[in-house]
Amino acid sequence: EPEVTQTPSHQVTQMGQEVILRCVPISNHLYFYWYRQILGQKVEFLVSFYNNEISEKSEIFDDQFSVERPDGSNFTLKIRSTKLEDSAMYFCASSQEGRVAFFGQGTRLTVV
Amino acid sequence: GQNIDQPTEMTATEGAIVQINCTYQTSGFNGLFWYQQHAGEAPTFLSYNVLDGLEEKGRFSSFLSRSKGYSYLLLKELQMKDSASYLCAMYGGSQGNLIFGKGTKLSVKP
Repeated sequence: EPEVTQTPSHQVTQMGQEVILRCVPISNHLYFYWYRQILGQKVEFLVSFYNNEISEKSEIFDDQFSVERPDGSNFTLKIRSTKLEDSAMYFCASSQEGRVAFFGQGTRLTVV
Repeated sequence: GQNIDQPTEMTATEGAIVQINCTYQTSGFNGLFWYQQHAGEAPTFLSYNVLDGLEEKGRFSSFLSRSKGYSYLLLKELQMKDSASYLCAMYGGSQGNLIFGKGTKLSVKP
C-alpha cells in the first residue's frame, strides 16, 4: 500500500542551526502538508502546498520556515534557525483530492 | 473562530463498545474527520463525514449532526490494540488543512 515516507526519523540539532526535514508524498497525490505535534499536545497545521506554491499557512509558519518541492517526488520543510521551542514531531501528509490526508511516520526534531 | 472539544481520557473493557464524542464550532463546515494515533506514531485516517448520519466501516462507525455541531466515533468489539488516542478534526481552510482536537486517549483493559 502506498505511504508517505519521511527522513530522518529523528534529528538532533543545536539551537540556531538550520534543519531540513524530507518527505516523499504518495506518488499520485497533489496536495501536501506539514503538521507538527509538540510532546503531549495536539497536532497543529503548519502549511499546505498545491500546484508548486503555498496555498495556506498558519501563524506558526513564520519567516524561519520554508517549504520546497525540489523535484517530482520530494517535499521538504526547512527551519532556518532552530529554537528550543521547535522541538516536536513533524508530520508530512499528502492528499489526492485535498480532502483525506495520509500522514507519514514523522520526524522527531530535538533542539538542544 | 474554530474550536473542537473532546474528552481527554476514556477507559473501556475488551469486547465492549465505546463512544467517543466530539463537539465543534466553525463558521464554515466542510467535513469532520476521525484519526487514530498510537503513542509516538502518526495519525491514521479512520473516517470522514460531510453529511448528517452514520458512516460504518467494520468495527468503527462515525456519526455527524451538523445542526448540533456534534460527532461521535463508535468502536465495537474492542480489542487491546484499540488503545490509542482518537483525534477529531475539521477543515481549517479550503485546501484540506485540518484543525485537530486535543484527542481522547482510550485505554482498553482486559
